[in-house]
Amino acid sequence: NAGVTQTPKFQVLKTGQSMTLQCAQDMNHNSMYWYRQDPGMGLRLIYYSASEGTTDKGEVPNGYNVSRLNKREFSLRLESAAPSQTSVYFCASSEGTGRYYGYTFGSGTRLTVV
Amino acid sequence: DAKTTQPPSMDCAEGRAANLPCNHSTISGNEYVYWYRQIHSQGPQYIIHGLKNNETNEMASLIITEDRKSSTLILPHATLRDTAVYYCIVRDSNYQLIWGAGTKLIIKP
Repeated sequence: NAGVTQTPKFQVLKTGQSMTLQCAQDMNHNSMYWYRQDPGMGLRLIYYSASEGTTDKGEVPNGYNVSRLNKREFSLRLESAAPSQTSVYFCASSEGTGRYYGYTFGSGTRLTVV
Repeated sequence: DAKTTQPPSMDCAEGRAANLPCNHSTISGNEYVYWYRQIHSQGPQYIIHGLKNNETNEMASLIITEDRKSSTLILPHATLRDTAVYYCIVRDSNYQLIWGAGTKLIIKP
């Protein structure tokens, strides 16, 4: 079982460029999430998808868009990258959004915007 | 803002029990307490969660006070591989996890 797979693992972008971060899970989980983590800080929720066909904003959604392509895949798009979006991005999934579900995380995408 | 308070760092000797405290004085009656850890820069790893009863699994034990205003994560026999940042989290009203800065636990040989 691969769990949650993120691609790419590393990326360098120039300011204004766009890119899509990919995430796929093979656990048949209903809910998926995108977080960012800045140095020395905890994770902050960007967007989440409670179930296939739905997406909702998290704590820091500005500058990002998401697509829940199917039950397995949840992508994060930066339309016009800014240096403030330099961060480590984590995708996660869970069986549901209920309080008793734990999350499984991917290994992260390290993004640098210059 | 995070609804939990944790010490920024702790040390523990290898083979000893590591006890990580967490304060969550504003927790609501139906909110769960979750613990995750993050080793180096890897993705966070789920450890355990609970509501009001003490919980134990193969990784750790979770002790929640009767008033639910604080909890302690216990790693019974810490190893060097347990060196990580440990996050204590409670669910917010939108069912999403709110992460603080966590406790950096260093296991010393």
